[in-house]
Amino acid sequence: QQQVKQSPQSLIVQKGGISIINCAYENTAFDYFPWYQQFPGKGPALLIAIRPDVSEKKEGRFTISFNKSAKQFSLHIMDSQPGDSATYFCAASMSWSEKLVFGKGTKLTVNP
Amino acid sequence: GAGVSQSPSNKVTEKGKDVELRCDPISGHTALYWYRQSLGQGLEFLIYFQGNSAPDKSGLPSDRFSAERTGGSVSTLTIQRTQQEDSAVYLCASSPPGGETQYFGPGTRLLVL
Repeated sequence: QQQVKQSPQSLIVQKGGISIINCAYENTAFDYFPWYQQFPGKGPALLIAIRPDVSEKKEGRFTISFNKSAKQFSLHIMDSQPGDSATYFCAASMSWSEKLVFGKGTKLTVNP
Repeated sequence: GAGVSQSPSNKVTEKGKDVELRCDPISGHTALYWYRQSLGQGLEFLIYFQGNSAPDKSGLPSDRFSAERTGGSVSTLTIQRTQQEDSAVYLCASSPPGGETQYFGPGTRLLVL
């Protein structure tokens, strides 16, 4: 049973465009939703995270939108840059100290 | 400061052999996690250590997998009688007391021939 479903599997965006990655979850006990960025040969690194008490969180060019009733959350990358080309993973956990359940990842390519 | 380190960075072994993967968490971090990343898959939770509490082993795929954490710091993941399906990147992460961010190491790439 896949508890966090992520789409699309891959995404190609032109420089300056908006990248949007979507995730849906099933377990309503999840209360922490981070996004991780992973470059080839590296471990994932936290990009931005949100809790269900807010509907949106913005950090620079990165925004998480959260819809609790639909059990969905998404990552928006504004003004996408070639340096943003990486694999992005959404995740969820039941508390800040618990194991993360990850989506299968989205490979983002930003063309110059 | 130093991040999470893992060794070896790459490991090639023959089917049936045992392997040990090491993780050195960030100093002072009390929580330590092991995940497995297979090609085209997301990260799969394996085991979680928090302080002196009993570890959460609910993600270990079989009894061939085990892990220990000595002195609340370094952790070793052991895979006995390796199988080809064990080939993956094994990632370790740690987080500080009261902190929510998990900091990942670069991983160990395991190839079982």
